[in-house]
Amino acid sequence: AQSVTQPDIHITVSEGASLELRCNYSYGATPYLFWYVQSPGQGLQLLLKYFSGDTLVQGIKGFEAEFKRSQSSFNLRKPSVHWSDAAEYFCAVAPTGTASKLTFGTGTRLQVTL
Amino acid sequence: DGGITQSPKYLFRKEGQNVTLSCEQNLNHDAMYWYRQDPGQGLRLIYYSQIVNDFQKGDIAEGYSVSREKKESFPLTVTSAQKNPTAFYLCASSMARGDEQFFGPGTRLTVL
Repeated sequence: AQSVTQPDIHITVSEGASLELRCNYSYGATPYLFWYVQSPGQGLQLLLKYFSGDTLVQGIKGFEAEFKRSQSSFNLRKPSVHWSDAAEYFCAVAPTGTASKLTFGTGTRLQVTL
Repeated sequence: DGGITQSPKYLFRKEGQNVTLSCEQNLNHDAMYWYRQDPGQGLRLIYYSQIVNDFQKGDIAEGYSVSREKKESFPLTVTSAQKNPTAFYLCASSMARGDEQFFGPGTRLTVL
């Protein structure tokens, strides 16, 4: 069965600093990979997704993620964090070919200090 | 604007009562999903439906029921058999073999 691990429950960064959120997955093949963001009390918004090809994926709001097959990782990065980036971030995986069976990590809550 | 609506945003019920959460989408998506979110546990799949009049259990279906009589609608009933119903419930939809799930704003259910 597929699984996702987000080892950091809570991260605090200063505004303007760089950010990296970690995600490791367990799956027999290369899955579809996703990062979602959730503001408090809201639904989830897709930041970016990886299916195949270039392992560095660009997303919305200045985020990017890099797929590393050898490490089974899909870490999310942003060069300069803004206060509005404070939210909860979820990594998710799905079997290749469909996004219909998403498995989510437990999330990382990002706090941004001014 | 196309999207997913969930109502109500907040819902309070007494223990032992069944309650139905609404989910409507006008994205013309074939598949719809219900997730439950608890603090520190991410999202867990309750039920999903890939076509009208058909649905499958997810990982935590016990104590829940659904129907899919229309493509646009996928209501979730939280029954009295659900032992810990207080949670944030999220509805999502996607194309049948789509590459992305779109999420609604969620309903926070509190059972008193």
